[in-house]
Amino acid sequence: ETAVFQTPNYHVTQVGNEVSFNCKQTLGHDTMYWYKQDSKKLLKIMFSYNNKQLIVNETVPRRFSPQSSDKAHLNLRIKSVEPEDSAVYLCASSLLGDQDTQYFGPGTRLLVL
Amino acid sequence: QQKVQQSPESLSVPEGGMASFNCTSSDRNFQYFWWYRQHSGEGPKALMSIFSDGDKKEGRFTAHLNKASLHVSLHIRDSQPSDSALYFCAASELNNAGAKLTFGGGTRLTVRP
Repeated sequence: ETAVFQTPNYHVTQVGNEVSFNCKQTLGHDTMYWYKQDSKKLLKIMFSYNNKQLIVNETVPRRFSPQSSDKAHLNLRIKSVEPEDSAVYLCASSLLGDQDTQYFGPGTRLLVL
Repeated sequence: QQKVQQSPESLSVPEGGMASFNCTSSDRNFQYFWWYRQHSGEGPKALMSIFSDGDKKEGRFTAHLNKASLHVSLHIRDSQPSDSALYFCAASELNNAGAKLTFGGGTRLTVRP
């Protein structure tokens, strides 16, 4: 049963445009994440938020910025997209802790033309 | 080089057969391990976690962890066509602020009817 919701499912845009992806979790978790999955299916952490505070910010281009209004929502904004941003963006959530399982949403597929 | 490496890249087994996956870490900070499964068009879903040396069994799935060699394995007995998916090993560090997961490159399993 899906408890991490992402919108949109799919987005096509032109180079240089701004896009924004939404994520909501109904699990009551404290921590949310954004991962990027590339065309080779490699998964890599981008950001981690705990109770609206940024905890992990991996080396990602500055055009990427996470936005959190409360602990159940974590959005991802990309200013001026580039072709290499084409990927699937996966949102996840967990209780805080290195032993807590992360639950993933279905992902948002971005295609930059 | 990836900190979490998986083998094989792909695997094909007959229905009812045993599927085995391997995962090795090059970082001794990794203490907690998960196996995730991702069906096409979906987000990864946690199959099981393993934190202690030895075997852990859940239904048809058995995971094995050897912390000394940083090796984790997953075995699926009585494989079903619905088990066909991409399988990821993921690791988390001890006292990991933000609890980010580091994923292996994945193993694609095909179960032949």
